[in-house]
Amino acid sequence: EDQVTQSPEALRLQEGESSSLNCSYTVSGLRGLFWYRQDPGKGPEFLFTLYSAGEEKEKERLKATLTKKESFLHITAPKPEDSATYLCAVPSDRGSTLGRLYFGRGTQLTVWP
Amino acid sequence: NAGVTQTPKFQVLKTGQSMTLQCAQDMNHNSMYWYRQDPGMGLRLIYYSASEGTTDKGEVPNGYNVSRLNKREFSLRLESAAPSQTSVYFCASSEEAYLLNQPQHFGDGTRLSIL
Repeated sequence: EDQVTQSPEALRLQEGESSSLNCSYTVSGLRGLFWYRQDPGKGPEFLFTLYSAGEEKEKERLKATLTKKESFLHITAPKPEDSATYLCAVPSDRGSTLGRLYFGRGTQLTVWP
Repeated sequence: NAGVTQTPKFQVLKTGQSMTLQCAQDMNHNSMYWYRQDPGMGLRLIYYSASEGTTDKGEVPNGYNVSRLNKREFSLRLESAAPSQTSVYFCASSEEAYLLNQPQHFGDGTRLSIL
């Protein structure tokens, strides 16, 4: 059973067209949620950590929010350089797997001019 | 800032050959990780090392071995490569694996093809 589910799998936006990506999770006792950006041929690049429900973080055109069951990555007026795969991850809450991150499969965002 | 450095970047092997993927970090992190990334599967943890001198299995450890050489370096070895191990391999590090709110930082991967 997937601990982290991301939707949509792929999203195409016109430059300037705002939208949101979703990350839902099933772990209880959330200790944090991470957002990453991954460009083709590169490793995931850390963007944000969210620690508690209601928290928001911003970076340029990106804003991440967190509720008790899901997180959203809002992209305002995107540009072609925002095209990438966005991953979210949550840490395991179980003793036997403590310290591991569960990753979603990602949302592939394409922003066209 | 180097961060996490992986070598080689690309490799082609024949079935049955062995090889070692190297990883080094310069952030003084205690914990290091090896993942594989396959289309449609996302990132899956192979092995991790919470601290120097310790290693633990992740989700998909079969066919792999690891060595935490020192605090900076963590290697992944394929003893007898199989086509199913064709993948992109990522190394990552974090301050402390058991500080659950600490992000992991990734290298740029090794693209491995096994014929």
